[in-house]
Amino acid sequence: DADVTQTPRNRITKTGKRIMLECSQTKGHDRMYWYRQDPGLGLRLIYYSFDVKDINKGEISDGYSVSRQAQAKFSLSLESAIPNQTALYFCATSDPTSGHEGPQHFGDGTRLSIL
Amino acid sequence: GQQLNQSPQSMFIQEGEDVSMNCTSSSIFNTWLWYKQDPGEGPVLLIALYKAGELTSNGRLTAQFGITRKDSFLNISASIPSDVGIYFCAGHSGGTYKYIFGTGTRLKVLA
Repeated sequence: DADVTQTPRNRITKTGKRIMLECSQTKGHDRMYWYRQDPGLGLRLIYYSFDVKDINKGEISDGYSVSRQAQAKFSLSLESAIPNQTALYFCATSDPTSGHEGPQHFGDGTRLSIL
Repeated sequence: GQQLNQSPQSMFIQEGEDVSMNCTSSSIFNTWLWYKQDPGEGPVLLIALYKAGELTSNGRLTAQFGITRKDSFLNISASIPSDVGIYFCAGHSGGTYKYIFGTGTRLKVLA
């Protein structure tokens, strides 16, 4: 979805380095999410934010932190990267619709490799 | 915790054939979504379902929200090579903050 932009698209780094993945959106959605995708597993939620002042841990937040700089921007940081954080990372946005949780719209992902 | 079982895990089909896949949940959902993911790209929303029994189409794709609210089905008619990819289901129970995602069905089309 071109309305959700992730940078970088690919990153290779070494164990112990600090990494920041960035996400920006033009959809005007309040809700933003960070997921990781590993082979054979469904998307797993790392952190989510329902507005600029609201940050919440997902199911696998250990080793990660986030910052919601503006409605349109949500960044994910790995303070000290380790090899098992090698994965495909996705940012997503959503807004409630007609009383339901709205569908999530994804960026194209960041492929992160930690050596 | 909530789990989604998606089947089949993978399938080969001949071009022109119809395809069916499904997701089942251990609990009731209020929303079902179906996505397609191509290599190197993010999941793209195909169909959203909000009501038990609802049947919704998007071109050659048709999805149904099961009447038990614990399952959903996706059908692709007359498959073509560009249907190759991974299809994901996702469900939301309404009372939680997150969607639960299936592990995907990998579709491969033989021309």
